[in-house]
Parts: sequence; C-alpha cells; structure tokens
Amino acid sequence: SAVISQKPSRDICQRGTSLTIQCQVDSQVTMMFWYRQQPGQSLTLIATANQGSEATYESGFVIDKFPISRPNLTFSTLTVSNMSPEDSSIYLCSIPPGTGHTEAFFGQGTRLTVV
Amino acid sequence: AQKVTQAQTEISVVEKEDVTLDCVYETRDTTYYLFWYKQPPSGELVFLIRRNSFDEQNEISGRYSWNFQKSTSSFNFTITASQVVDSAVYFCALIMVPLGGATNKLIFGTGTLLAVQP
Repeated sequence: SAVISQKPSRDICQRGTSLTIQCQVDSQVTMMFWYRQQPGQSLTLIATANQGSEATYESGFVIDKFPISRPNLTFSTLTVSNMSPEDSSIYLCSIPPGTGHTEAFFGQGTRLTVV
Repeated sequence: AQKVTQAQTEISVVEKEDVTLDCVYETRDTTYYLFWYKQPPSGELVFLIRRNSFDEQNEISGRYSWNFQKSTSSFNFTITASQVVDSAVYFCALIMVPLGGATNKLIFGTGTLLAVQP
C-alpha cells in the first residue's frame, strides 16, 4: 500500500490569488494524477504528473491555470492560479494502480473555497 | 471509449433497510478492473473493493456485498441493514489493464449520494 499526505486540507482564498497544494508519497511512484471535484460532481482528471517531464493536461485544463511540479518520485504540487469562485472544489492527488498494487491511492483532499 | 454510469443520483433509506447502488460500465477491452470508493462528507476517498474482469465471483464483506455480472456489464453494490454511518457518496470506477501505462487512469461514474436516515 501507499500513503499520500496532502496539504492543506482546506483553505479559503481571495479571488485573484493562487494556492499551491502539496502531495507527499511514502514511496517512489512514476505517475501521479491530480483531480478536481466540483461541488456535487464526480472526479475530473486535471493532469498526469510525471517526474522529469512536463505534466500532461486533460482537455479543458491548461498549464497557466494549473501549473504542476514533480521534482522527484515522491512529491508533487498543483497550483490553482488567479482563482475565481468557480475554482471552489475539492482537489485530490492520486497514485494510479500499477506495479505491486491494484488499487488507486488518494490524498485526503484539499477543500478550496474562493470568495 | 470507456464509460461508467451510475444512474441513481441520490438514494434515501431508513436505517436497517437494505440498499443497492447500481453501476453499469462500457468498455471494448476484455481485461479491466472495477472499483467502488466511498466518499464521506469529510471528502477523502475510501477504497472498498477491486474486481478483476476475469473474476465474476460475488463478494461479501460484512454488511457489504458486490454483484459482478459481465453479461450485463454491471457491478452493483449492496449494503445490508444500512446504518447512518453509511451516508456518503459512492463512486464506481473502471481502469484498463495493463496497469501503469501512459494513459492508465481511473474513469469514475458520477456517484450516488446515499442518505441513511435514523
């Protein structure tokens, strides 16, 4: 199994500011995923973060709005830039199923409210 | 394309009732995994079960049971004698095999909000 520590767990931010969310994994993993869950909705994949290369973004998400860092195999950050109330969501990092484990592991989530 | 459908948006039951959450999936692949996750109000995702597409054996874990039917592409989840603590959003998800590929990602259904009233 794997343990992911995600922080902050929640934040209230002013519009126009940026927030960086951190995820630390207790083992080395090749891929990490970042999801957004808008209120009352399912999880939507924002991007895949690979160590040593630029993140791969899903349709509708761009690097300028959601820059991602992946400096090593145990750590990743997601920044929500120039926030607006529409960015109010839960953001989750995840390790997909892979070698040695066949379930996805998730961080505890960051509940973001933009006012 | 792969897709997961959870037609029940919200279900409300009274404590001790049995409840079944439906999940129907679409995929052209023959090898895949199916999952159920629970999301309580606190927001974290709690893993409940994983099922390999080659294993159609139903599973029971305490008050939880899962019915996997490949013929109807369904993977339904039943809670017996529901309790207030079961109140949460439940997600069904699908992922292709082999795992670890560049496009290997969980495809989630839209979730079912279960409210168990005392």
